[in-house]
Amino acid sequence: RKEVEQDPGPFNVPEGATVAFNCTYSNSASQSFFWYRQDCRKEPKLLMSVYSSGNEDGRFTAQLNRASQYISLLIRDSKLSDSATYLCVVRSNNDMRFGAGTRLTVKP
Amino acid sequence: SAVISQKPSRDICQRGTSLTIQCQVDSQVTMMFWYRQQPGQSLTLIATANQGSEATYESGFVIDKFPISRPNLTFSTLTVSNMSPEDSSIYLCSALAGGPLEQYFGPGTRLTVT
Repeated sequence: RKEVEQDPGPFNVPEGATVAFNCTYSNSASQSFFWYRQDCRKEPKLLMSVYSSGNEDGRFTAQLNRASQYISLLIRDSKLSDSATYLCVVRSNNDMRFGAGTRLTVKP
Repeated sequence: SAVISQKPSRDICQRGTSLTIQCQVDSQVTMMFWYRQQPGQSLTLIATANQGSEATYESGFVIDKFPISRPNLTFSTLTVSNMSPEDSSIYLCSALAGGPLEQYFGPGTRLTVT
């Protein structure tokens, strides 16, 4: 079993749609959780951290369920510029583990 | 935050040669890492670059193939030795910085081995 597993995608959605990505992790001792965004031929960049109580940043909402070892990212009112690969990242101490990523394409 | 630069940004190398990639961070950081990313794949951690001691390699990666230096808290190098076409990939330098710690990435080095 992979340490971090994500929806394989790709997700192709129209502008304005709401889309949700899921991620599960196997290490119950994991301490920190993140969503990164990676544009084509670019390096990954931090989108948002995921807090235990869930957190929102504009159109983006992240949720964490420690009991189920599950993380989610919800994007509302999708924009063309949201097209990218979204990476789920789980950290235990200083050991960061990346999911394989979910590709999102937002179409006009 | 941290701004990370890498040199070279890309290179095309012949089989059997070696390439050293440089990584510079604009601030002192405790943790630096080297990743590899194959086209369409996620990141694979090669090693953690430790300042003042030998790097810590992940399973499947060895020092003879990927020697790493970390002479100070802002700089590291990764050498890809005796290259073969299977080494063609993007190599990314990364660092943990900030409070709370966040992981930042350099722009990557796109390596093609012919």
